[in-house]
Amino acid sequence: QVQLQQSGPELVKPGASMRISCKASDYTFTSYYIHWVKQRPGQGLEWIGWIYPGNVSTKYNEKFKGKGTLTADKSSTTAYMQLSSLTSEDSAVYFCARWDRYDEYFDVWGAGTTVTVSS
Amino acid sequence: DIVMTQSHKFMSTSVGDRVSITCKASQDVSTAVAWYQQKPGQSPKLLIYSASYRYTGVPDRFTGSGSGTDFIFTISSVQAEDLAVYYCQQHYISPPTFGGGTKLEIK
Repeated sequence: QVQLQQSGPELVKPGASMRISCKASDYTFTSYYIHWVKQRPGQGLEWIGWIYPGNVSTKYNEKFKGKGTLTADKSSTTAYMQLSSLTSEDSAVYFCARWDRYDEYFDVWGAGTTVTVSS
Repeated sequence: DIVMTQSHKFMSTSVGDRVSITCKASQDVSTAVAWYQQKPGQSPKLLIYSASYRYTGVPDRFTGSGSGTDFIFTISSVQAEDLAVYYCQQHYISPPTFGGGTKLEIK
């Protein structure tokens, strides 16, 4: 069935960069937006940005410009988010989610990738 | 950015009760609101879209209503498995924003 499979948990040092992957399966990857959402421990959901794999266009939440970079590889139907200059504020669970642009909702979510920033 | 305010961070209810969760937008968002359920350790799950449309496979005890700035999500007869955090989300104006969540506790 339609799935978004995310990469595993990461433990990274402050100042480092890292990349999370989100592999899509069983649907036309280039026809749906992939959004990324941050959730800090015990907190709510914060939108980071989206990428449209069809033309690789992107849009970012102003707050995350310079922090997250979204890319996509059509050949492997995988979306990526690179996080840079990591601090403790970046410790969170990061979700990718598929956006249905016709009915306008997030209908499929990845399981989330836990990123822990610690020395 | 549009702020979505869920005034109750916690709500306590019993199995079989009717419970309503409110969400208020800081400006008019028409009916561009969805509701998601997040159970512990899981990703959010879509329940309601366009304010009042139930997503495929969602039990009919879950309903949504509202337009403009005020929205309500209702569970008509709470079940034990409804223990979760519920979020409203608007997509009327970018960036999409979520409410702070309401944690439903079952007595």
